[in-house]
Amino acid sequence: QVQLVESGGGLVTPGGSLRLSCAASGFTFSDHYMSWIRQAPGKGLEWVSYISSSSSYTKYADSVRGRFTISRDNAKNSLFLQMNSLRAEDTAVYYCARGPYTYGDAFDIWGQGTMVTVSS
Amino acid sequence: QSVLTQPPSASGTPGQRVTISCSGGTSNIGSNAVHWYQQLPGTAPKLLIYNNDQRPSGVPDRFSGSKSGTSASLAISGLQSEDAADYYCAAWDDSLNGRGVFGGGTKLSVL
Repeated sequence: QVQLVESGGGLVTPGGSLRLSCAASGFTFSDHYMSWIRQAPGKGLEWVSYISSSSSYTKYADSVRGRFTISRDNAKNSLFLQMNSLRAEDTAVYYCARGPYTYGDAFDIWGQGTMVTVSS
Repeated sequence: QSVLTQPPSASGTPGQRVTISCSGGTSNIGSNAVHWYQQLPGTAPKLLIYNNDQRPSGVPDRFSGSKSGTSASLAISGLQSEDAADYYCAAWDDSLNGRGVFGGGTKLSVL
């Protein structure tokens, strides 16, 4: 079945780095834009970034631009989020999601999320 | 402060009809489709309504969406206990070269 499985979360000190991964299965990964969305504890959803199907186009939220880098490996059906210069306010569950298919579209499949905690 | 505005809470009794509003602006809801996500307690969000009023396969027709101008609404009819969840509206915002934006979420209680 169509599935997204995130990994790589954990505890990191402020200023540190972490790389999240998302393994996709059950669909043609290379046909789809992919996104990262996060949710701070007890808070709402925040879109973080998306990447086009061929990696030619990326976009970031203002809150992470210059610190986070989204990438993908279509041969391995995998999506990544390299997070540098982490701050306490980056603490959140990070979800991998399929979409948008085109600009304006929804995120139609979500992973279960991976928790990132930034604390000293 | 979320770009899209939702009431923080809503409630209803089993069988009732409830609506959740989502207010935005000309650069987001006024220009792009609205999507709704349901997040059951302790789980990941799930797409509930896309493109203002379309239901993905498997979503009961008790759930419906609408959009007018810079506002949108989610309606749930025949409320059931399992509908207790957080609901988020979302859209793309044409300002700043395009970005995804969400409402702050509405916690629905079934009394």
